[in-house]
Amino acid sequence: DIQMTQSPSSLSASVGDRVTITCRASQSISSYLNWYQQKPGKAPKLLIYAASSLQSGVPSRFSGSGSGTDFTLTISSLQPEDFATYYCQQSYSTPGFGPGTKVDIK
Amino acid sequence: QVTLKESGPVLVKPTETLTLTCTVSGFSLSNARMGVSWIRQPPGKALEWLAHIFSNDEKSYSTSLKSRLTISKDTSKSQVVLTMTNMDPVDTATYYCARIRGSGWLEIDYWGQGTLVTVSS
Repeated sequence: DIQMTQSPSSLSASVGDRVTITCRASQSISSYLNWYQQKPGKAPKLLIYAASSLQSGVPSRFSGSGSGTDFTLTISSLQPEDFATYYCQQSYSTPGFGPGTKVDIK
Repeated sequence: QVTLKESGPVLVKPTETLTLTCTVSGFSLSNARMGVSWIRQPPGKALEWLAHIFSNDEKSYSTSLKSRLTISKDTSKSQVVLTMTNMDPVDTATYYCARIRGSGWLEIDYWGQGTLVTVSS
């Protein structure tokens, strides 16, 4: 199985900060990488698919990049509604999620 | 409007079999390349992909849980069913069904609200 790791596991940031979350796969997954946002008590929400494609309706402050084994999710200017947990998901083989990155208020 | 709704028991005993049903609306289970997945999340923990099924009946299972899972669909009823055998307290989790959009990247674009299943005697 392909193992996914995320770093950091949590971070504290302020409104307006630029935030970068990293996701790493244990082997190359090309661009088969999706990103989700989850708020407490809610189902996840798709942000980015195919590593860098922005899901319809998602603000442009969210962006994704990377291919192969290393990927990043960037929030260019953190907004109050962005405090949440973020998960990457590989779909190159049997799908799997990363352990998540919790973004909270500094 | 696409919706998915999970139904099933809220409490199961250890060693029992769990059967969950996902009823979908707003799209057809026969739509080309679309699929439905089951994903779970133990309290306070990460998401875990369990299984998925596509419109052509292609199925895939979590490697670690494959021996315990069965996924099936009834297109006429717009339902996808997941069974998990030999339930254990560590299987306590919120179980989500979700739509795989069908673009080829296995991204989930719609989720059910989730159903919390507790395993306890």
